[in-house]
Amino acid sequence: SAVISQKPSRDICQRGTSLTIQCQVDSQVTMMFWYRQQPGQSLTLIATANQGSEATYESGFVIDKFPISRPNLTFSTLTVSNMSPEDSSIYLCSVERSGSDSDTQYFGPGTRLTVL
Amino acid sequence: AQKITQTQPGMFVQEKEAVTLDCTYDTSDPSYGLFWYKQPSSGEMIFLIYQGSYDQQNATEGRYSLNFQKARKSANLVISASQLGDSAMYFCAMREDNAGNMLTFGGGTRLMVKP
Repeated sequence: SAVISQKPSRDICQRGTSLTIQCQVDSQVTMMFWYRQQPGQSLTLIATANQGSEATYESGFVIDKFPISRPNLTFSTLTVSNMSPEDSSIYLCSVERSGSDSDTQYFGPGTRLTVL
Repeated sequence: AQKITQTQPGMFVQEKEAVTLDCTYDTSDPSYGLFWYKQPSSGEMIFLIYQGSYDQQNATEGRYSLNFQKARKSANLVISASQLGDSAMYFCAMREDNAGNMLTFGGGTRLMVKP
């Protein structure tokens, strides 16, 4: 598995502001993933972050709204910009680790964001 | 079309009994993997079990087993001897090897274990 930490664990923010979420992994990984989970919903992939290259965003997500940094192989940040109440969600980072029979994604504890 | 469908939004099970959570999937990729995750109220996503599309045997991991029926495109999770701590949301997910490393999640099933 993997030991993944996220900061902050939760936050309450005012609309129009931005929040940067940090994700730290206990060892080097090639790819890190950022997901959003809106209230009562399933997880949706925002983007995939590779070290040394631009993040790859999924349909419906843009870099101006969700800029991502990946400065090294153990760390990434996701910024939620110009927030509105619709951005209230749990944001989770994940990493992929190779096991005996699969490449499995392991998740951080999540950041619970409320936008007022 | 939905790639992953979980038809049971909520289920109850009596403590110590077994329960099956349904998952059907849709893919034309011959190589794929199916995953189950547990999400307690704390929000973290906990990996439970994996089944590869070419695996001949059903996956098992402690009290968790996966009833994989490839022709029917179903990958149901079976939890044996339910415990109160099993109460959580359960998500089925798929990774298609031709679609990179992304996971597609189903809508989830809320399991409630009754004492």
